[in-house]
Amino acid sequence: QLQLQESGPGLVKTSESLSLTCTVSGGSISSTSFSWGWLRLSPGQGLEWIGSVYYTGSTYYNPSLKSRVTMSVDTSKNQFSLKLNSVTAADTALYYCARRFTGSPFDYWGQGTLVTVSS
Amino acid sequence: SYVLTQPPSVSVAPGKTARIPCGGDNIGSKTVHWYQLKPGQAPVLVIHYDSDRPSGIPERFSGSNSGNTATLTISRVEAGDEADYYCHLWDTSSDHPVFGGGTKLTVL
Repeated sequence: QLQLQESGPGLVKTSESLSLTCTVSGGSISSTSFSWGWLRLSPGQGLEWIGSVYYTGSTYYNPSLKSRVTMSVDTSKNQFSLKLNSVTAADTALYYCARRFTGSPFDYWGQGTLVTVSS
Repeated sequence: SYVLTQPPSVSVAPGKTARIPCGGDNIGSKTVHWYQLKPGQAPVLVIHYDSDRPSGIPERFSGSNSGNTATLTISRVEAGDEADYYCHLWDTSSDHPVFGGGTKLTVL
C-alpha cells in the first residue's frame, strides 16, 4: 500500500522560507506515469493546489504562487520537496503531499502537516 | 480560471440522503472528482470520473454530473460520514487542478 508522509517545521517566521519534504513508501517515486503534488488547506482559501513535480525534475506550479515556489525530487531517498519563499500569515495552512496519475485525480495523500507562519 | 461553487454546509439526519452540489459553467462537459476530508486523516477520493467509486468506497456514495451542476449523493447517511467534501476537476484552459470551496456535512 502506497503511503506518503509530510515532514518539516511546524512554525516559520514571516518573510522566511517554508520547506517541507514528502517521503513515499510502498512504491517508487520514479515512474513516468505519476506526478507528485503539494496542496494546502486553509480557512480562507479552502483546498489549493501549489504545484507538482515529476521524478525527472520537471515541474509545474499554480500561477498564483509560481514566483515563490520551488519543488524538487530526490529519487535516491524516494522523496520530493517543497520550498515556499517570503511567507506571510496567509501561508498558514495544512500542507498535503499527494500522487496523481496522468489524467486522473490525486489518489494517494499524506495526512498533512500544519505550518503556522508567525513573526 | 474555472470556478467551482459549493454550499458551505449541508445537514442531514442519520439514515437520510445527503446531496452536495458543485456548480460550474457547463460542468457537465467536464470530469469531476470528489474528496472526503476528516481532521487528522489523509483525504480520501470517494468519487472519480463523475460517478465511479474507487475500490473500498461504500455503495452509499454516488455521483452525477450534468448541465451546470455536479452532485455527490450519500445515501443512508451515517455519523462517520460527517466530514468536509470537496469537488475537483482539471481545468484544461489553465492546465491545472481546481477545487471547490468545500462543504461541511453535518450529521444531526
